[in-house]
Amino acid sequence: NAGVTQTPKFRVLKTGQSMTLLCAQDMNHEYMYWYRQDPGMGLRLIHYSVGEGTTAKGEVPDGYNVSRLKKQNFLLGLESAAPSQTSVYFCASRPANGELFFGEGSRLTVL
Amino acid sequence: ILNVEQSPQSLHVQEGDSTNFTCSFPSSNFYALHWYRWETAKSPEALFVMTLNGDEKKKGRISATLNTKEGYSYLYIKGSQPEDSATYLCAFKGNKLVFGAGTILRVKS
Repeated sequence: NAGVTQTPKFRVLKTGQSMTLLCAQDMNHEYMYWYRQDPGMGLRLIHYSVGEGTTAKGEVPDGYNVSRLKKQNFLLGLESAAPSQTSVYFCASRPANGELFFGEGSRLTVL
Repeated sequence: ILNVEQSPQSLHVQEGDSTNFTCSFPSSNFYALHWYRWETAKSPEALFVMTLNGDEKKKGRISATLNTKEGYSYLYIKGSQPEDSATYLCAFKGNKLVFGAGTILRVKS
């Protein structure tokens, strides 16, 4: 039982490049989330999903896209990376009415 | 924009001291209030999920209370230990799950 797994763990991009972060959970959770963590700002919600095939915007969605084609996977895409997207990204999932289970984080640097 | 505020921003205490911090959140459209403990270089881990006004939850030396009518929750740590050093996050669940910025606790031995 792996819980929540994020890949890759580290990535360095140049401005304008694109990439996808993959989040996978094996707990059959309905809800999945992508957060970014920046110094002094806690965790800010980028996008979330309440079930397979659904996505919704969070607090800071601009510059990101997401997809939830399979219940166990939630993908976060950066179409054209910018230095302001340098951050640590956390994926999380939870059952209905339950607490969040987090992945280990993905550190992204955009030069 | 949902306003979830935590205070203080940081706290330094001596081993053995008891301490507490606050999470303030909107009093309308409330579904749940979560508390998480986040150690450096790790991922946040859930401490409590609280749903009812007046809820009190306890796990070892850590406890929490909830007041949904006035929109606040307190987290208490009794007899702090160095291993309690972490960032403590609260998250308000209304239509979305929104986190506060956290309280950084450092316990000196």
